[in-house]
Amino acid sequence: GQSLEQPSEVTAVEGAIVQINCTYQTSGFYGLSWYQQHDGGAPTFLSYNALDGLEETGRFSSFLSRSDSYGYLLLQELQMKDSASYFCAVGGFQKLVFGTGTRLLVSP
Amino acid sequence: GAVVSQHPSWVICKSGTSVKIECRSLDFQATTMFWYRQFPKQSLMLMATSNEGSKATYEQGVEKDKFLINHASLTLSTLTVTSAHPEDSSFYICSASNAGQGYEQYFGPGTRLTVT
Repeated sequence: GQSLEQPSEVTAVEGAIVQINCTYQTSGFYGLSWYQQHDGGAPTFLSYNALDGLEETGRFSSFLSRSDSYGYLLLQELQMKDSASYFCAVGGFQKLVFGTGTRLLVSP
Repeated sequence: GAVVSQHPSWVICKSGTSVKIECRSLDFQATTMFWYRQFPKQSLMLMATSNEGSKATYEQGVEKDKFLINHASLTLSTLTVTSAHPEDSSFYICSASNAGQGYEQYFGPGTRLTVT
């Protein structure tokens, strides 16, 4: 089977940096994706790592270590609008398996 | 960008009735569509994968006779919840992808189903 574990909740203040970790166990690996979901909304794609290393997209960066079955999403210069749930997911256009999700609460 | 729509955005139905949810890719051809279910404060769980013109592939534990999926064209997939019960109340989200356009799945806005 496949499982992806994330911390359930993370809190931070505006302007801070926060890291959301994801550890996974999969039978096959086709890359690690990150999605943001606001309450009542659809998941929004943030980033994708197929290879080891850091991918940077604006304030968001994502890291992958395939040997450690581990990745993280780094959010910099936090804003109130970043308060949402964040999911890691393995797979790609064929099939996605989502992590347990992390609720990020950003306070003033 | 790629846009996926769902209709309706929310629906309330009585127990025992059936409800159909539509998922459309508006500006691209979706070779594959996926249906997810999400209970409050939980993750998205894949229910089934459908390829245009083929029967859907259901995940373990999902009743194919209860959740009927049709992917009749490259832009439309439907999910019909038959004989709905209150425990089927959930947020249903579809996504679509095109194998020739990379790894990304594009998500619809979701449909909130409440069964009374």
